[in-house]
Amino acid sequence: DAKTTQPTSMDCAEGRAANLPCNHSTISGNEYVYWYRQIHSQGPQYIIHGLKNNETNEMASLIITEDRKSSTLILPHATLRDTAVYYCIVRGPSNTGKLIFGQGTTLQVKP
Amino acid sequence: NAGVTQTPKFQVLKTGQSMTLQCAQDMNHNSMYWYRQDPGMGLRLIYYSASEGTTDKGEVPNGYNVSRLNKREFSLRLESAAPSQTSVYFCASSSGGTGTGELFFGEGSRLTVL
Repeated sequence: DAKTTQPTSMDCAEGRAANLPCNHSTISGNEYVYWYRQIHSQGPQYIIHGLKNNETNEMASLIITEDRKSSTLILPHATLRDTAVYYCIVRGPSNTGKLIFGQGTTLQVKP
Repeated sequence: NAGVTQTPKFQVLKTGQSMTLQCAQDMNHNSMYWYRQDPGMGLRLIYYSASEGTTDKGEVPNGYNVSRLNKREFSLRLESAAPSQTSVYFCASSSGGTGTGELFFGEGSRLTVL
């Protein structure tokens, strides 16, 4: 599975969009990009995933560059409850669903 | 709406003691996983079970054993606990198959080994 690189930490003002970048320059054509978040010491929570096209759900949007070497998770209107560690993970379709977590980005949403 | 249930939530052991962490899911998922998370670190995969009757090693399997008891349950055993195994342990499950990496996690089991 391709390795990902994320900034260690980011701040965002409450009500503004939070844009979390992720680099995955060695991604293969059949590998998906997944985003999870972990609030305080709870279990991680699935946010969104995509292969090539941009994706949107009720929680966030995922923008994947055309060359697929990087992506951005967008939380359109960040709230204080969005303060968490966000993990960008790349995995192929054939490894039984296991995910390898990196260090993630700590997002601090400020009033 | 139980999802993934882990027991116990907290445990303190002395070095050399053994214990089993239990995990059960009620979503009829094929795949189950055990992760550990040390302070300030990301999650690391210990073992996983792609389907009932199969188990495989993850990134950090040493010192652990697992049992996929049935489709619902996946247990993690520490035969002789060491202080280095002090951590938060998370169980997760997924429907499995290709392109379906959405994992559902339990609330975690906090283990301290003295």
